[in-house]
Amino acid sequence: AQSVAQPEDQVNVAEGNPLTVKCTYSVSGNPYLFWYVQYPNRGLQFLLKYITGDNLVKGSYGFEAEFNKSQTSFHLKKPSALVSDSALYFCAVRENYGGATNKLIFGTGTLLAVQP
Amino acid sequence: DGGITQSPKYLFRKEGQNVTLSCEQNLNHDAMYWYRQDPGQGLRLIYYSQIVNDFQKGDIAEGYSVSREKKESFPLTVTSAQKNPTAFYLCASSRQGPFYNSPLHFGNGTRLTVT
Repeated sequence: AQSVAQPEDQVNVAEGNPLTVKCTYSVSGNPYLFWYVQYPNRGLQFLLKYITGDNLVKGSYGFEAEFNKSQTSFHLKKPSALVSDSALYFCAVRENYGGATNKLIFGTGTLLAVQP
Repeated sequence: DGGITQSPKYLFRKEGQNVTLSCEQNLNHDAMYWYRQDPGQGLRLIYYSQIVNDFQKGDIAEGYSVSREKKESFPLTVTSAQKNPTAFYLCASSRQGPFYNSPLHFGNGTRLTVT
């Protein structure tokens, strides 16, 4: 079955330190991968996506993600965390059944808490 | 500003009543979606629509119904047949669809509480 996993329910990091939010996926063929962020009682906001090309993808608010095909991972990173980065982060992968409607599969989310 | 408007923000209903959640977009997007969010479960797809007068069931469509009479509007009705309707409901749209490589734009959600 095609799936996406976010192994950490919560990540804690001090302000100014680098952060990583992990995501691994299982999908046949070439994956389309996305990161979204959700602030409390709000909808999700798109951060970045990997479709093809350069494995390092840069997105909004200084975030970036690295696509690693051999490890089937798409970890979200930022060199220096801000308190305002504290939010719920979702990884998503597009199913790839070829020809049929391919839905987005969302991970269960990782809560990022940045301490001042 | 273009965006997606969901109303109301909070909704309270008694068990056994149907309730309709509104979703309007002015992004001129073709595809629209309804997701349900529960703590620790991520987002689950209820229904989606690629074009006016057409919609498809998602992974958890039972107890829900939708309509797509206008491009801008995709209301969701939570019926009394939905066993556990209390949740946070998110509407989204995308320029291409369904589920192509253009990102989803989300509304700010409706929190439904059924007692």
